[in-house]
Amino acid sequence: QVQLQESGPGLVRPSGTLSLTCAVSGGSISSSNWWIWVRQPPGKGLEWIGEIYHSGSTNYNPSLKSRVTISVDKSKNQFSLKLSSVTAADTAVYYCARKVVPAALNWFDPWGQGTLVTVSS
Amino acid sequence: DIQMTQSPSSLSASVGDRVTITCRASQSISSYLNWYHQKPGKAPKLLIYAASSLQSGVPSRFSGSGSGTDFTLTISSLQPEDFATYYCQQSYSTPETFGQGTKLEIK
Repeated sequence: QVQLQESGPGLVRPSGTLSLTCAVSGGSISSSNWWIWVRQPPGKGLEWIGEIYHSGSTNYNPSLKSRVTISVDKSKNQFSLKLSSVTAADTAVYYCARKVVPAALNWFDPWGQGTLVTVSS
Repeated sequence: DIQMTQSPSSLSASVGDRVTITCRASQSISSYLNWYHQKPGKAPKLLIYAASSLQSGVPSRFSGSGSGTDFTLTISSLQPEDFATYYCQQSYSTPETFGQGTKLEIK
């Protein structure tokens, strides 16, 4: 079955760029699914960051759009997140997940285990 | 953005209880509604998709209903492993948004 694993630095300096990668195993990133990033600040709820299709098509949360880039590397079966100009408000657990889209309806499953990124000097 | 509002925000219940959590969307989302639960330190896990379809492997004590703007998640008989935080999520339009969560605690 499909499994996802996030990786990247756990500490980022303010004004720097957060960079994470999500490795997909047990299935192809070129399947008919979208691939998403969601974050969760400590003790708070879930925020959808954005999504990418294997063709490179993307959708971003307008609240983050000016700072977010999501890309895909089909040769490595992985996708990545970059968030620029970070502040302490970007401290969160970052999750990657598959967005299953069998028809118009869609849902997120499975999820990676998540990785905590702290923004601090 | 479509706002998702869950109630209650927290709930205390006992093993064996029947529990209902509600989720209201700020506009009609048809059946584009999913439910997840999340245990401390773990990733969210899909329970119900498309408002009422049970995800494979999820116990049948979980059920979902509703369409349009009002939805419910019901757990027919609480088990110890069900104590967690529950989130609804709309997949009708981007940005896809979540409810604020309902923390289900042991009484």
